[in-house]
Parts: sequence; C-alpha cells; structure tokens
Amino acid sequence: AQTVTQSQPEMSVQEAETVTLSCTYDTSENNYYLFWYKQPPSRQMILVIRQEAYKQQNATENRFSVNFQKAAKSFSLKISDSQLGDTAMYFCAFMKLLTGGGNKLTFGTGTQLKVEL
Amino acid sequence: SQTIHQWPATLVQPVGSPLSLECTVEGTSNPNLYWYRQAAGRGLQLLFYSVGIGQISSEVPQNLSASRPQDRQFILSSKKLLLSDSGFYLCAWNRNTEAFFGQGTRLTVV
Repeated sequence: AQTVTQSQPEMSVQEAETVTLSCTYDTSENNYYLFWYKQPPSRQMILVIRQEAYKQQNATENRFSVNFQKAAKSFSLKISDSQLGDTAMYFCAFMKLLTGGGNKLTFGTGTQLKVEL
Repeated sequence: SQTIHQWPATLVQPVGSPLSLECTVEGTSNPNLYWYRQAAGRGLQLLFYSVGIGQISSEVPQNLSASRPQDRQFILSSKKLLLSDSGFYLCAWNRNTEAFFGQGTRLTVV
C-alpha cells in the first residue's frame, strides 16, 4: 500500500518570502502521479501542481514549483513570493492507476501554512 | 464544463440515526467517483470508489456504505450513525489523472 508522509503539521512564512513544504511517499509502483492540493478555510480542494513520475523535469506553476526526487521518494513544494492568499492547508497526494479502472489518490496528513505580514 | 454537487453542506445527526449524503456530477459521462473523509489531523482518507453503476469498492472497514444508482450519482449512507462517524466528507470524480472535489459535508454526530 502507498503511504504519504508530511512531517510538518504547521509552518509560517513572511509575506513575499519563500517557503518549502516537505513530502515523502512510499510505493513499489513505477508509474504514478504526485500532486499538491490546497485547502483554504472554505474547505474547497484546489489543485496546485501535478508531477508525472516518468518526467524528470520538475513541474512549475507560476510561483509554485516542486523538487521531485524519485529515487528518494521525495516531493517537496516551494512557494515563492508568498502571498496572504496562500494561507491554507496543503496536502501532498499520490495517485496510482488501478487495474480495474479508475485512479486512487492517497493523501498525506497536511501542512497548515500561514502567511504573515 | 464539468461540475460536482454535494449536499448537504452541514448536517447534525443523533447517534443511531440513518445517514444519506448525495453527490452528483454534471458535464461528463462514466466518471470515476470517490468518497473521502477528512478527520482533524489525519488528512483525507479514501472510503469508497466506483468505476461504474453498481460497482463499489470499499477501502476501509467501517459503519458506512456507498451506492451508485445512476452513472453520475454517488450516495454515502449509514443505517445507524456512530459518534466516530463525525467528520468532513468529500465527494470527488476524476478525469485521467486529475481529481475534482465537491464542496464537502460537515457531519456532526451528537
């Protein structure tokens, strides 16, 4: 079974600074996908960034980028130029393809990020 | 465009009462559907997933059940709620490798 570990329950960062959220995972799969989701106080789950395991190049989306280390099974999220609106719970997630169809997302326990003035 | 509806948004139910949470998807056909529960400090736990009408897979033993009576409808149920069923429940569907979530239901069992 896959497990996703986020070892930082809470983090804070000053506005305009850079912060990195950690995530490690455990799997025997070779083809899979990794995600970071954001959950603001509204509780809506918002996709931040996605990484295909077969791609060596790290994914980037504007101020968000990842450091994907496949051998180490590490998938950290870097947020540059932090903004107050980035305050949210961030979940790392692992997706594997199921043989009977469908995909299965496994989530970490989340990191609560607070951006401060 | 595809949308996902989940209701109710909040629910307070007494212990031992039944439960029915509904989720519907619009704008797509034959979606893969999921029910997750989010407990404080424990992330999102996959409860059930369905790849088609009447096809339900359970991920964890529990007091809940799921049904998919129509292609784009996914229902989470319980005959008798327990205090431990309290939590935030999220319905989701996926297309390829991306998942889309409903607004969630906060269930409080008292």
